[in-house]
Amino acid sequence: GAGVSQTPSNKVTEKGKYVELRCDPISGHTALYWYRQSLGQGPEFLIYFQGTGAADDSGLPNDRFFAVRPEGSVSTLKIQRTERGDSAVYLCASSLMGRLGAVVNTEAFFGQGTRLTVV
Amino acid sequence: AQTVTQSQPEMSVQEAETVTLSCTYDTSESDYYLFWYKQPPSRQMILVIRQEAYKQQNATENRFSVNFQKAAKSFSLKISDSQLGDAAMYFCAYRTCLQGGSEKLVFGKGTKLTVNP
Repeated sequence: GAGVSQTPSNKVTEKGKYVELRCDPISGHTALYWYRQSLGQGPEFLIYFQGTGAADDSGLPNDRFFAVRPEGSVSTLKIQRTERGDSAVYLCASSLMGRLGAVVNTEAFFGQGTRLTVV
Repeated sequence: AQTVTQSQPEMSVQEAETVTLSCTYDTSESDYYLFWYKQPPSRQMILVIRQEAYKQQNATENRFSVNFQKAAKSFSLKISDSQLGDAAMYFCAYRTCLQGGSEKLVFGKGTKLTVNP
């Protein structure tokens, strides 16, 4: 697609339920990122994929959070046993990556996010 | 770990006037990238301007320019001839450029800019 697409746009779930958030990056972008933005805060890094593998998952807050990108394009962020504190906007971004994994000055394009509300 | 600080939670400017948003950061690296992102109510983060730390010349993009002071670790954004459409949250962000390093962005808490007609 033309831009990064995230679905659903909004999700309301009950405490303790399982949720999946989907991100469809820009075609051809090998790098994909998930961020979490709580109310009144800047986005906080969760996880970064290079192709199918998680290159950096240091931002995942605990083992209830998990993300996959099985074919190197679409990614799913999975949250188990949701808590009210998980309520936030979850942003996805994608970018090109240089050869040999070199970090190049490439722009990260963001989706419009999924607003998750845990009640 | 790198940190980014935006000390102005809210700013306002009159249409057609100039406003400067402040950002400071902390890092032990010598090479890195700095960004300003705009986030309107639609929630989508839009890149406004970026600066490579090794470049001494301040970046400019039309009405947007930065004042990059590497020694002071300061990276302010100047918006000239402010327009109503500039009203949004503005986030300063840092990214390493170490080869093999994570491409994650480290964001500040943001500044809400209001443009008054």
